[in-house]
Amino acid sequence: DAKTTQPPSMDCAEGRAANLPCNHSTISGNEYVYWYRQIHSQGPQYIIHGLKNNETNEMASLIITEDRKSSTLILPHATLRDTAVYYCIVRGLMTTDSWGKLQFGAGTQVVVTP
Amino acid sequence: DGGITQSPKYLFRKEGQNVTLSCEQNLNHDAMYWYRQDPGQGLRLIYYSQIVNDFQKGDIAEGYSVSREKKESFPLTVTSAQKNPTAFYLCASSKGPGTSGANVLTFGAGSRLTVL
Repeated sequence: DAKTTQPPSMDCAEGRAANLPCNHSTISGNEYVYWYRQIHSQGPQYIIHGLKNNETNEMASLIITEDRKSSTLILPHATLRDTAVYYCIVRGLMTTDSWGKLQFGAGTQVVVTP
Repeated sequence: DGGITQSPKYLFRKEGQNVTLSCEQNLNHDAMYWYRQDPGQGLRLIYYSQIVNDFQKGDIAEGYSVSREKKESFPLTVTSAQKNPTAFYLCASSKGPGTSGANVLTFGAGSRLTVL
């Protein structure tokens, strides 16, 4: 699986957009980008994933560069409840032969301030 | 509502005792996982299971054991052989292989184990 690099921390003002970067320069053609977040003392929560097109759901938007070497998770209007550690993970499809596991790195600690 | 239930939420154990953490899911997911998280750290995979009666070691399986006798259940036993068992334990599940949804994990609320 491709390695990802995220900043260790970032602050965001409540009501503003939070843009979380992730570098994955060694990503291969069949690997997806997944984002999860973990609020303190809770289990991680899936946010969004994509292959090469930009994706949007009720929680966030995912922008993947054309060369797929980096991506940005966008929280359009950050609230205090968005304070969490955000994990960017790159993983290919799990086949029966290559069944594996998601590697959660250190992630980015996002603090949303009033 | 479908989801994953972990119990107990908090558990205290004396050194030398085995403890079993429960994990039950009603999502009809094929795969289940156990992760460990230490303070300020990411998640590390202990064991995972693709199917009933089959499971694989993750990165830190030593001192742990699991069983998968039912699709819905994947209990984790922390044995006395685990040298530093105090941690936050997370159970997760996902759909089977072959789709991008297989990497979409649903997590439980976690079990916090403290060894006294």
